[in-house]
Amino acid sequence: DIVMTQAPLSSPVTLGQPASISCRSSQSLVHSDGNTYLSWLQQRPGQPPRLLIYKISNRFSGVPDRFSGSGAGTDFTLKISRVEPEDVGVYYCMQAKQFPITFGGGTKVEIK
Amino acid sequence: EVQLVESGGGLVQPGGSLRVSCEGSEFTLSIYSMNWVRQAPGKGLEWISYIASSGTPIYYADSVKGRFTISRDNAKNSLYLQMNSLRVEDTAIYYCARQTSQRPFDIWGQGTMVTVSS
Repeated sequence: DIVMTQAPLSSPVTLGQPASISCRSSQSLVHSDGNTYLSWLQQRPGQPPRLLIYKISNRFSGVPDRFSGSGAGTDFTLKISRVEPEDVGVYYCMQAKQFPITFGGGTKVEIK
Repeated sequence: EVQLVESGGGLVQPGGSLRVSCEGSEFTLSIYSMNWVRQAPGKGLEWISYIASSGTPIYYADSVKGRFTISRDNAKNSLYLQMNSLRVEDTAIYYCARQTSQRPFDIWGQGTMVTVSS
């Protein structure tokens, strides 16, 4: 199974300041079709998860452009350029290169 | 609005069975692969099962293999998860999630709570 490791566990951020979350996979997420199936999900308190970013850096419909994804191979990053109050929640990376699909443990973004 | 709506959760005793459902709204569920993901109270996300649009292939997490069965009824625009031999550790919110070839898990349901307790 591919193990997904996120850091930090928690990220207290001042409103308007940037935040960055790291995700590392135990093996390359490059699929035989040439795509890298690394996604980022946001889960606000009391809500279901929501897709933010897919294939490393593609923002899903309706996702603000302050969210960006980058990386390659086994190392990936989600950045929020200026944290807003509605960004509070837990962020998960996930790989869909192969089954079983696996998630990182989550990073809690909270306001300082 | 495109959405998924789960139902069927509840309280069940250890060793019991339950079937949860997921219905698609404002889109044709039959053309999509689908997944079930669960989240135990206060914990992270755990993928548990996948079914292709045609019905095969099907995959399960080791934690539920042999106990849970995923199925779909495309005529009813619905996805199901039959859960047998339930354990206390199966207590969780169960989410269904849509999967496209390029955008895994692009749409999630609101979840249905399953509690396994005596």
